Amino acid sequence: KNEVEQSPQNLTAQEGEFITINCSYSVGISALHWLQQHPGGGIVSLFMLSSGKKKHGRLIATINIQEKHSSLHITASHPRDSAVYICAVGGPDRGAQKLVFGQGTRLTINP
Amino acid sequence: DVKVTQSSRYLVKRTGEKVFLECVQDMDHENMFWYRQDPGLGLRLIYFSYDVKMKEKGDIPEGYSVSREKKERFSLILESASTNQTSMYLCASSLGPVWVAYEQYFGPGTRLTVT
Repeated sequence: KNEVEQSPQNLTAQEGEFITINCSYSVGISALHWLQQHPGGGIVSLFMLSSGKKKHGRLIATINIQEKHSSLHITASHPRDSAVYICAVGGPDRGAQKLVFGQGTRLTINP
Repeated sequence: DVKVTQSSRYLVKRTGEKVFLECVQDMDHENMFWYRQDPGLGLRLIYFSYDVKMKEKGDIPEGYSVSREKKERFSLILESASTNQTSMYLCASSLGPVWVAYEQYFGPGTRLTVT
């Protein structure tokens, strides 16, 4: 079993829909990261969180430390949100910045 | 804005060649990382460096070495390229120390094909 599991692996939705991507992890963490990767390869950090909830524009990330689970929500989705979303964790055992990554969720938003 | 650049976007090399992938960051970050990304496997850490001339193995260091002679530059070396090293290679940088969580900034990636 991978240390970081994401679901779903692929998600297709219509413009305007509310999107949820899930991440579960099995190790102790210092922080959890949500990353976005557009076609062509470039990766951008969206959030880094260790507790509670963060919001940036239409994106919201939550984390439940007790349940070892995080969600990334996108409100009023738009075709430009189409990308691969990657969850990653770093922990005290291996080093907070030595990240372990999920396999990613490929999101497609149709107009 | 932090900028992380990689020397090539696409690279084609032959089996057995020595390959150098270069990464440069312009924000005086202490830490630099090399990852490879493969379908179904996600991103995996090859090596990272927390200071000039300091390096530490990641999860898949076999077949690779690294060099960090200057703070802004981190090189990944494939001593003798093999077809199973065909992959997307991504560099990243971050502030330190490595035992504290910081955001990582990624380069655009180098898609390496070994034939």
